[in-house]
Amino acid sequence: DTGVSQDPRHKITKRGQNVTFRCDPISEHNRLYWYRQTLGQGPEFLTYFQNEAQLEKSRLLSDRFSAERPKGSFSTLEIQRTEQGDSAMYLCASSHRLGSGELFFGEGSRLTVL
Amino acid sequence: QKEVEQNSGPLSVPEGAIASLNCTYSDRVSQSFFWYRQYSGKSPELIMSIYSNGDKEDGRFTAQLNKASQYVSLLIRDSQPSDSATYLCAVKSNFGNEKLTFGTGTRLTIIP
Repeated sequence: DTGVSQDPRHKITKRGQNVTFRCDPISEHNRLYWYRQTLGQGPEFLTYFQNEAQLEKSRLLSDRFSAERPKGSFSTLEIQRTEQGDSAMYLCASSHRLGSGELFFGEGSRLTVL
Repeated sequence: QKEVEQNSGPLSVPEGAIASLNCTYSDRVSQSFFWYRQYSGKSPELIMSIYSNGDKEDGRFTAQLNKASQYVSLLIRDSQPSDSATYLCAVKSNFGNEKLTFGTGTRLTIIP
């Protein structure tokens, strides 16, 4: 299966620690998105890459959050100095059609900050 | 006012009946509309997209769009227990950004 894969699937960390999530999109997709979802809410947009260029960032993405897609393939999302409010499911999605909104989501990386 | 509003439910529908899910949006420049299905503990998956006023049918699913009323709906005919999930409405502006704005979702339960 060549769907979107995310790693790790679960991460438990203590407040103040740094965490990094990785996303491997569908191979022919050049558009990659990060969303965050908390219980009972819909996904919230964080950032978007077209190839290696980060083209959009949400106001939700504070300076503790950084995302990269160095070679236009996989992407990483790093959260520095984690806070309990960062606990959420971090969803990666990819797309092959500009402007389509037809996203293919990975299974997500669940973060729990103690 | 939330950008995309949905009734959170739960919405219970007998098996074989029609399930009707509704969504309203606030941004008049929204141009593209999507319904995603999310099973408990899983990630969202796209089931329908609609871009023009009117109805769009795909198997047992029909999406309806009324841009004047800023309203989009999803009908599921002949509901099956496997349709039990949370249905997320998402909207997108075509004007220079790739951001999808999701509603909070409606939890649908099909009763056998």
